[in-house]
Amino acid sequence: KNEVEQSPQNLTAQEGEFITINCSYSVGISALHWLQQHPGGGIVSLFMLSSGKKKHGRLIATINIQEKHSSLHITASHPRDSAVYICAAPPGGGADGLTFGKGTHLIIQP
Amino acid sequence: NAGVMQNPRHLVRRRGQEARLRCSPMKGHSHVYWYRQLPEEGLKFMVYLQKENIIDESGMPKERFSAEFPKEGPSILRIQQVVRGDSAAYFCASSPSQFTDTQYFGPGTRLTVL
Repeated sequence: KNEVEQSPQNLTAQEGEFITINCSYSVGISALHWLQQHPGGGIVSLFMLSSGKKKHGRLIATINIQEKHSSLHITASHPRDSAVYICAAPPGGGADGLTFGKGTHLIIQP
Repeated sequence: NAGVMQNPRHLVRRRGQEARLRCSPMKGHSHVYWYRQLPEEGLKFMVYLQKENIIDESGMPKERFSAEFPKEGPSILRIQQVVRGDSAAYFCASSPSQFTDTQYFGPGTRLTVL
């Protein structure tokens, strides 16, 4: 079973700051997901990455497969980025559903 | 191309009733996953289905819960004789193939058991 840990659990920052959210997992995986859950509860898949780095707008995700670690960065943060960010990994051992971290509650203050 | 659709968005049931949650995957997606988010808790995997087959149900409670994904129509998560502890948000996700593809999430169904 894959243990997925995220940090920090809560993060409050000022508009414009550079944000980093970290995720580590215990079992080697082929790909890791980053998700965003809005205050209304809806979930959006941000990235799925298996190596290196991906960029989408102001969001950047990196992964180091050897160290079993991934980071999600937000540049020039904005209040609309306020949400819960969740990393998720396959559990390993042949099962196919994702194992989720507990999430990082991000608040960007104007 | 419509996204993953779930209905109803909100469902209220009294203890002992049945709840049926529906999920229509994205067009062309034959893999469906159901997840549950209990209040103040993280998402937990319940079941993974392909058309007409349950591939992995290791996250499903042993009693009262069942899931299907028929050849035609949406995937259904069925909860019999609901209890207050079943109150949660239930999300489904779909992908075109196995889990190493991006999973696209539906808006969720919020089940409240009175």
